[in-house]
Amino acid sequence: SQQGEEDPQALSIQEGENATMNCSYKTSINNLQWYRQNSGRGLVHLILIRSNEREKHSGRLRVTLDTSKKSSSLLITASRAADTASYFCATDAIYAGGTSYGKLTFGQGTILTVHP
Amino acid sequence: GAGVSQSPSNKVTEKGKDVELRCDPISGHTALYWYRQSLGQGLEFLIYFQGNSAPDKSGLPSDRFSAERTGGSVSTLTIQRTQQEDSAVYLCASSRQGAIGNTIYFGEGSWLTVV
Repeated sequence: SQQGEEDPQALSIQEGENATMNCSYKTSINNLQWYRQNSGRGLVHLILIRSNEREKHSGRLRVTLDTSKKSSSLLITASRAADTASYFCATDAIYAGGTSYGKLTFGQGTILTVHP
Repeated sequence: GAGVSQSPSNKVTEKGKDVELRCDPISGHTALYWYRQSLGQGLEFLIYFQGNSAPDKSGLPSDRFSAERTGGSVSTLTIQRTQQEDSAVYLCASSRQGAIGNTIYFGEGSWLTVV
């Protein structure tokens, strides 16, 4: 089963509003990465947050990570119509011996629609 | 190159034919990954390369799927005797070393349709 579960599955907002998407996972992780996908094609990397970080910002994006709850959130502030896309969280798990090699497990994604 | 490059962008093939999908990772990236995205299955890991070797190929769905990487750069994913359930977007990704904390960059994908 998919490790990451995202909530909500779909989100519809007006331009200028904030959008918050949540992600939960099950195993110990090295880091968590958020991606955007337009029209079912390539994934665009948005932000990476390490397991020892709690919050990270990049432009209009704010990501939080709570390892005790195994959850993360992505906040997009002052949304624009161009932000319309699917958003995925992906976890990079830790394996035996503390190793990790970037094998990502993806959530099902949140479809965000921003209306002009 | 500037980004991960994949070809072809789109491929329509007849059931039973073999297909090859190519991936050119970002220059200097030693780790390379193949993923598949299909309706109802989400994004699934297929195989991981470090250099030319594949220490994790656990996601390959059957022995009809194989992949190789040469010169620590270009990779080819081959699907033999394609079936309709192979229809999906095949995404390639690369990262600097596949080590902790490295950003993983994806290509635009190859959309495979088996008819």
